[in-house]
Amino acid sequence: EDQVTQSPEALRLQEGESSSLNCSYTVSGLRGLFWYRQDPGKGPEFLFTLYSAGEEKEKERLKATLTKKESFLHITAPKPEDSATYLCAVTGGSNYKLTFGKGTLLTVNP
Amino acid sequence: NAGVTQTPKFRVLKTGQSMTLLCAQDMNHEYMYWYRQDPGMGLRLIHYSVGEGTTAKGEVPDGYNVSRLKKQNFLLGLESAAPSQTSVYFCASSRKGSEKLFFGSGTQLSVL
Repeated sequence: EDQVTQSPEALRLQEGESSSLNCSYTVSGLRGLFWYRQDPGKGPEFLFTLYSAGEEKEKERLKATLTKKESFLHITAPKPEDSATYLCAVTGGSNYKLTFGKGTLLTVNP
Repeated sequence: NAGVTQTPKFRVLKTGQSMTLLCAQDMNHEYMYWYRQDPGMGLRLIHYSVGEGTTAKGEVPDGYNVSRLKKQNFLLGLESAAPSQTSVYFCASSRKGSEKLFFGSGTQLSVL
């Protein structure tokens, strides 16, 4: 059974204070690892897909990286508008259905 | 660009009542999904569909039924609501074979 564990559960940063979110996973034959952003009262919004160890993707202040056991979402010089819950998900083997982690609630204070 | 639209946005039911949640997508996506999101549990897949007229069970299907009579619509039904079904329900869609999901804005359901 695929498993995804995200840490920390919650993270509070000051504006401009860089940090990283962690997503560790257990899956038989990783097909893809996905990062989504979820704002309060809204559905998740797709950010990145990573397929193989060593791969990196960037979007504005966000950078996602992947190893064989975990993924990191690095946030550089965050702004208050980066505040959201960040969800990690995986698909493995012949199973194309996503298994989600519980998410990390990020709060960026001005 | 409507994307994925869910109705209703909020609903309160009494135990034993029935209701249907409607999901509509205008992106011509083949695949559609119903998830529930509970505090501390993350998103869990209820049912999904890989095409018009086909449905399949996800991780937590008990107590729910679905139908996909038209490609653009995916209905989630609760025949006899229970307090354990209090949750936020999200519909999503994707292109065939893609794990990039597009989500609706959710339905907050309370069962008293």
